[in-house]
Amino acid sequence: DVVLTQTPVSLLISLGGQASISCRSSQSLVHSNGNTYLHWYLQKPGQSPQLLIYQVSNRFSGIPDRFSGSGSGTDFTLKISRVEPEDLGVYYCLQRTHNPWTFGGGTKLELK
Amino acid sequence: QVQLKESGPGLVQPSQTLSLTCTVSGLSLTSNSVSWIRQPPGKGLEWMGVIWSNGGTDYNSAIKSRLSISRDTSKSQVFLKMNSLQTEDTAMYFCARTSGFDYWGQGVMVTVSS
Repeated sequence: DVVLTQTPVSLLISLGGQASISCRSSQSLVHSNGNTYLHWYLQKPGQSPQLLIYQVSNRFSGIPDRFSGSGSGTDFTLKISRVEPEDLGVYYCLQRTHNPWTFGGGTKLELK
Repeated sequence: QVQLKESGPGLVQPSQTLSLTCTVSGLSLTSNSVSWIRQPPGKGLEWMGVIWSNGGTDYNSAIKSRLSISRDTSKSQVFLKMNSLQTEDTAMYFCARTSGFDYWGQGVMVTVSS
């Protein structure tokens, strides 16, 4: 199975600051069709995960441009600029290139 | 708008079978795929399996022998059945539209306990 390793496990950020989360894969996430199925989600306390970024760098509808995704192959990064209170929660990466689809272990974003 | 809602028993006895339903609205199951994902309390997310728009299924190999996903397109419902439940199957169970996992249900908490 593909293992996604997220770092750091937790992140203390001041309001207005910038956060960066890494997601490293044990295998290349480039599908045979050329697409890379690496997505990012935020799970706020007591809620279902919500899609932020799909296929590495595409923001989902309604997601502010403070969120950006980048990377290729096995290394991916989610950046959050100008952190706001509603950004707090646990961030997960997900790969849908290889079966079984797998999630990273999560990164908890908290206020400093 | 697109909505998914899980339903099912909150408590299941060990060794019994879990049956959950995901009722969808705002999308057709014949042109959308639906996945099941679970999350043990305080832990991360695990993809369980998917039913594709053509009715085919794929399962996580870790639980494949215990899991079955089916659907009733006329009722816009997707079903999960998992047998031989153990305490480690205690989790929040979610259904989600598979395309990007862009829409999720609110989840249903299932506790396995005698």
